[in-house]
Amino acid sequence: GAGVSQSPRYKVAKRGQDVALRCDPISGHVSLFWYQQALGQGPEFLTYFQNEAQLDKSGLPSDRFFAERPEGSVSTLKIQRTQQEDSAVYLCASSSRVGYGYTFGSGTRLTVV
Amino acid sequence: KQEVTQIPAALSVPEGENLVLNCSFTDSAIYNLQWFRQDPGKGLTSLLLIQSSQREQTSGRLNASLDKSSGRSTLYIAASQPGDSATYLCAKYNFNKFYFGSGTKLNVKP
Repeated sequence: GAGVSQSPRYKVAKRGQDVALRCDPISGHVSLFWYQQALGQGPEFLTYFQNEAQLDKSGLPSDRFFAERPEGSVSTLKIQRTQQEDSAVYLCASSSRVGYGYTFGSGTRLTVV
Repeated sequence: KQEVTQIPAALSVPEGENLVLNCSFTDSAIYNLQWFRQDPGKGLTSLLLIQSSQREQTSGRLNASLDKSSGRSTLYIAASQPGDSATYLCAKYNFNKFYFGSGTKLNVKP
């Protein structure tokens, strides 16, 4: 596709439920980020991949958060035992070059009730 | 901790006005500085990118400047239009990550 595709667009989860958020980057893009954006705030870094290697996961808030990109293309962000504070928009971005030309997806809005 | 601050948080102007959005950041180590636009329910659209060796970039009615020594960037929008209404985010890029401000929510009234 022409852009970064994220699914689902909206997810409502009951507290304690596990969720999986998917990101389909632009074909051939080696760099991939996940960001978390709380309401009224700027995005906060979660994790960074270069191809299939997770080079930085320092932004993951707890061990309930896990991200993978096994074949260097599609990435999944998994949140276990969701809590209300996990409610946010989760954004994915990809680029063919480090530091430049990042394309952001429209995000997945997660609401934990 | 690297922090990015944007002022004002919200701005409402009549159509046709020129306006300036401000961004300041701690730590002068910077690879590039980017300005993004975010429409409600949408992802981020990159508007301008200023490399650390540059002082400004221009695209149409938009002009962004960067002063690394003072840790500041400004986004200048000329002759604002209702279609410019959106949230504008600045982001410092360094060490393989973006550091975003909280954004300025702009409303341009017809």
